[in-house]
Amino acid sequence: DVKVTQSSRYLVKRTGEKVFLECVQDMDHENMFWYRQDPGLGLRLIYFSYDVKMKEKGDIPEGYSVSREKKERFSLILESASTNQTSMYLCASTPNKQGGTPSLYFGEGSWLTVV
Amino acid sequence: AQSVTQPDIHITVSEGASLELRCNYSYGATPYLFWYVQSPGQGLQLLLKYFSGDTLVQGIKGFEAEFKRSQSSFNLRKPSVHWSDAAEYFCAVGPYGGATNKLIFGTGTLLAVQP
Repeated sequence: DVKVTQSSRYLVKRTGEKVFLECVQDMDHENMFWYRQDPGLGLRLIYFSYDVKMKEKGDIPEGYSVSREKKERFSLILESASTNQTSMYLCASTPNKQGGTPSLYFGEGSWLTVV
Repeated sequence: AQSVTQPDIHITVSEGASLELRCNYSYGATPYLFWYVQSPGQGLQLLLKYFSGDTLVQGIKGFEAEFKRSQSSFNLRKPSVHWSDAAEYFCAVGPYGGATNKLIFGTGTLLAVQP
């Protein structure tokens, strides 16, 4: 089974702090994603990566950055956390696949509260 | 504009009753359609997906969905709901061909199951 692990499940941070959310997948997937989930808004894509050291902005990249130094690891960084970044963050991965749109494999999520 | 609408924010059904969750989409190209389920405090898990072929597609956990092009709908059904089906359900639409970053998620339907 594919496993996507988000090491921090629950975090409480202060406004202005730098926050790192880590995600590791164990199935050698090329593609990794960070989503934000808020009630009534569904999932919104923050950033994604198709390869090591490669990143692309999603729909809501403002206030976030990412790092992918190794294929299995994709980090989300909040340079200066703000209260409006309080949310559930979901990491996902997919393999490259010829034909079709591969399904996303999700981690269990990281609940971040910024006070 | 491309969009996914899940008209029902919250649904309550009795255990053993049948279930139908609605999903309507607006998409310019031939869509690739997904249903995901999110159990409390967990990430999302794929229930089923559809691109072509038989318009009735079977998924895991006894769920099925029917694609109706004329109605731009992809409704999820289950003949007999179990208490463990209580969760949030997300419909998603995207392009065929590997562009997972282009997936659009609905806002979700929260299912409660009464004993």
